[in-house]
Amino acid sequence: AQSVAQPEDQVNVAEGNPLTVKCTYSVSGNPYLFWYVQYPNRGLQFLLKYITGDNLVKGSYGFEAEFNKSQTSFHLKKPSALVSDSALYFCAVSFYNTDKLIFGTGTRLQVFP
Amino acid sequence: EADIYQTPRYLVIGTGKKITLECSQTMGHDKMYWYQQDPGMELHLIHYSYGVNSTEKGDLSSESTVSRIRTEHFPLTLESARPSHTSQYLCASSESGGSIETQYFGPGTRLLVL
Repeated sequence: AQSVAQPEDQVNVAEGNPLTVKCTYSVSGNPYLFWYVQYPNRGLQFLLKYITGDNLVKGSYGFEAEFNKSQTSFHLKKPSALVSDSALYFCAVSFYNTDKLIFGTGTRLQVFP
Repeated sequence: EADIYQTPRYLVIGTGKKITLECSQTMGHDKMYWYQQDPGMELHLIHYSYGVNSTEKGDLSSESTVSRIRTEHFPLTLESARPSHTSQYLCASSESGGSIETQYFGPGTRLLVL
């Protein structure tokens, strides 16, 4: 079965420090991977996606993610966290010939001043 | 921000009432989706549409129904609301194309059924 896992319910980081939000996936075939962010009382906002090509993907607001096929991971990273990055982050996976997104359970990022 | 709108943003309603959640997009996208977001935050696909007069059920069984009479409009209806329908409902849309297209989400409707 196709699935995506976000092993951490919450990640805490101090402002200015690097942050990582983890995501692993299980799909048959080549995965298409997405990161979305949800601020309070808002819908999901698209951050970045990996379809093919360079394993390092750069997205909005200074975020980037690295696709690692051998570890089946797609961790979200940012070199220097901001308090305004505090939000709920979702990893999602899709695969060839379908538009359905399978979401992880979400990770709450808390950046402390 | 994507041009996709949902109304109402918040709705409190009694058991047994009929409700319709509105979703509209101005991007001309053929594909539209409805997700249900549990209080525990996980999202599940409940309906999708690939174009006018096309509707399909998603991975999570839902008592709601949808229609797609116009490209830009994808309303969701509950004929008789129950407390178990309390949730947040998110609408999304994406372009048609040969590759995997990004889904863009509306702000959501938070539904409370008493």
